Amino acid sequence: QLQLQESGPGLVKPSETLSLTCAVSGGSISGTPYFWGWVRQPPGKGLEWIASIRQDGHTYYNWSLKSRVTIFIDTSKNQFHLILSSVTPADTALYHCVTEANYGSRGFEADIWGQGTFVAVSS
Amino acid sequence: QSALTQPPSASGSPGQSVTISCTATSSDISVYDYVSWFQQHPGKVPKLIIYDATKRPSGVPDRFSASKSDTAASLTISGLQAEDEADYYCSAFESRSVIFGGGTQLTVL
Repeated sequence: QLQLQESGPGLVKPSETLSLTCAVSGGSISGTPYFWGWVRQPPGKGLEWIASIRQDGHTYYNWSLKSRVTIFIDTSKNQFHLILSSVTPADTALYHCVTEANYGSRGFEADIWGQGTFVAVSS
Repeated sequence: QSALTQPPSASGSPGQSVTISCTATSSDISVYDYVSWFQQHPGKVPKLIIYDATKRPSGVPDRFSASKSDTAASLTISGLQAEDEADYYCSAFESRSVIFGGGTQLTVL
């Protein structure tokens, strides 16, 4: 069974760049599933999709974040990553990595979620 | 980009049925074809409970059902149980992006 584990800095200063890692276990990031992605949830608020990447490297980004976000896969480490630049306090959130392991279709069928890593943006 | 609108809250008594709607601001009716629904209990990770608008993943009770029309997607929970008290989110993939509804907080009275 695939498992995902996020890691991140915990605290980032405004205007800095946030780097997050999702470690994949129980399977190869080069095999199925086809999509890997990131979703965040600010404290007390709803879910916000950030970005997804296909195995072939094709990327999809939230239009409101696109200018600041990069997602990429590191097959050598069985990980995928999220880079978010020029962070502000509005980026404070619990960041989850996700994948569509069993029900990949034409929507967002994220059935495996990491527990999340909380990132606070504060000086 | 389209947005998905859900009622902020819903409630029902044990044993009753409750329906949560999800409406897109986009005029593209195909957005409802591949709606997913997620259940999130407080402090927990969201769980996929519906995909492709009407399909249930393995292990999701058949008390959870969903439908779609040209104007909305809906999630219905029948035979409400206390454990169904949670936040529910709809999502869709449109214009190369994933969008979430704002979430509906379900209270079991």
